Amino acid sequence: GAGVSQSPSNKVTEKGKDVELRCDPISGHTALYWYRQSLGQGLEFLIYFQGNSAPDKSGLPSDRFSAERTGGSVSTLTIQRTQQEDSAVYLCASSLAGRGTTGELFFGEGSRLTVL
Amino acid sequence: QQQVKQSPQSLIVQKGGISIINCAYENTAFDYFPWYQQFPGKGPALLIAIRPDVSEKKEGRFTISFNKSAKQFSLHIMDSQPGDSATYFCAASRQNYGGSQGNLIFGKGTKLSVKP
Repeated sequence: GAGVSQSPSNKVTEKGKDVELRCDPISGHTALYWYRQSLGQGLEFLIYFQGNSAPDKSGLPSDRFSAERTGGSVSTLTIQRTQQEDSAVYLCASSLAGRGTTGELFFGEGSRLTVL
Repeated sequence: QQQVKQSPQSLIVQKGGISIINCAYENTAFDYFPWYQQFPGKGPALLIAIRPDVSEKKEGRFTISFNKSAKQFSLHIMDSQPGDSATYFCAASRQNYGGSQGNLIFGKGTKLSVKP
């Protein structure tokens, strides 16, 4: 497809389990972002990948959260030992980057995580 | 200094009325101010954006007003329609035209309901 694709769309897990969330960005987009959306909390920045540069991990809430981007394309967000407060919608976005670009982020529809 | 403060949290407007959402930022290095629109179950999508070299930008019924000295910007929706009912997020970032761009910091969102 032409848009950002995320999977799974819904994930229910038990407290303490690990989860992986996947993001397929738009082809050719060099920048990839993960955000977390909790009820009433807006969009919380988690991590940002730009080309081959070191990722900006400044938004990751704890060392249980990690993300990687393989081959400059697909990204996986991993949450280890999930806690109930991790329940949220995890949104991925991609964008073109560089001189002359608009900076527009294209979001996927998100992965809704529920930790029981 | 990285915060973007958005108000109101929710807004109810009659069809045909004007919807106004306000945002304030602290980091004077921010140079890109977009507004995103999000419908339930969907990811946010860019609505309109402004850079600080202009004080106003209009696209159809949507207008951004920007006050650099006050570090504030607002979204005005003229002739509001029920189809405009959605959550609106303001955001800010510092764009480096050398090739990378900083992460986009979002406000907490405003849920707009336009009554018929």
